Amino acid sequence: KQEVTQIPAALSVPEGENLVLNCSFTDSAIYNLQWFRQDPGKGLTSLLLIQSSQREQTSGRLNASLDKSSGRSTLYIAASQPGDSATYLCASLPGGTSYGKLTFGQGTILTVHP
Amino acid sequence: GAGVSQSPSNKVTEKGKDVELRCDPISGHTALYWYRQSLGQGLEFLIYFQGNSAPDKSGLPSDRFSAERTGGSVSTLTIQRTQQEDSAVYLCASSRNEKLFFGSGTQLSVL
Repeated sequence: KQEVTQIPAALSVPEGENLVLNCSFTDSAIYNLQWFRQDPGKGLTSLLLIQSSQREQTSGRLNASLDKSSGRSTLYIAASQPGDSATYLCASLPGGTSYGKLTFGQGTILTVHP
Repeated sequence: GAGVSQSPSNKVTEKGKDVELRCDPISGHTALYWYRQSLGQGLEFLIYFQGNSAPDKSGLPSDRFSAERTGGSVSTLTIQRTQQEDSAVYLCASSRNEKLFFGSGTQLSVL
């Protein structure tokens, strides 16, 4: 059974700092790895999706990498802003799955203070 | 709106009562999912619909939980004889491909 772990559980940084969120998974036979953002009382917003054949994806100040062999993914946020404060979740989709049965990590609560 | 809509946003009920949670997916999305987010358990998959059929309902925690989808659109998640451990946020998502779009969820509190 896939297990997804996120470190750290919480992170507080000053505005402008670059930061890295970590995600590890036990079963490397994944179809893709996804990063989501969740704001309090809201649903999840998809940030980046990395296919198993890819090494990284970028969107604006966000960059996500994937290393299947080591079972790790990182989300890099450049020049953080207070508006980036949220919970960040990574999720893996099993290989051979044709639908969105995701296994989620527990999330990293990010606080960016002015 | 153009997003996934869930109702009610909050539901408080007494132990033993039945509750129904509703999800309106994005128009044209054939796949629909229910997930549950609870303290200590994180986000867990409950059930997947493709059209009106549910090929994967492996995440439903007990036979008190059921779900249906009609017209390839609206879905209802029903919890019978609610228990305190059912308290959680129930999230619905829909998709047309690999990318899932989530609703804001229903916060269920069982007293």
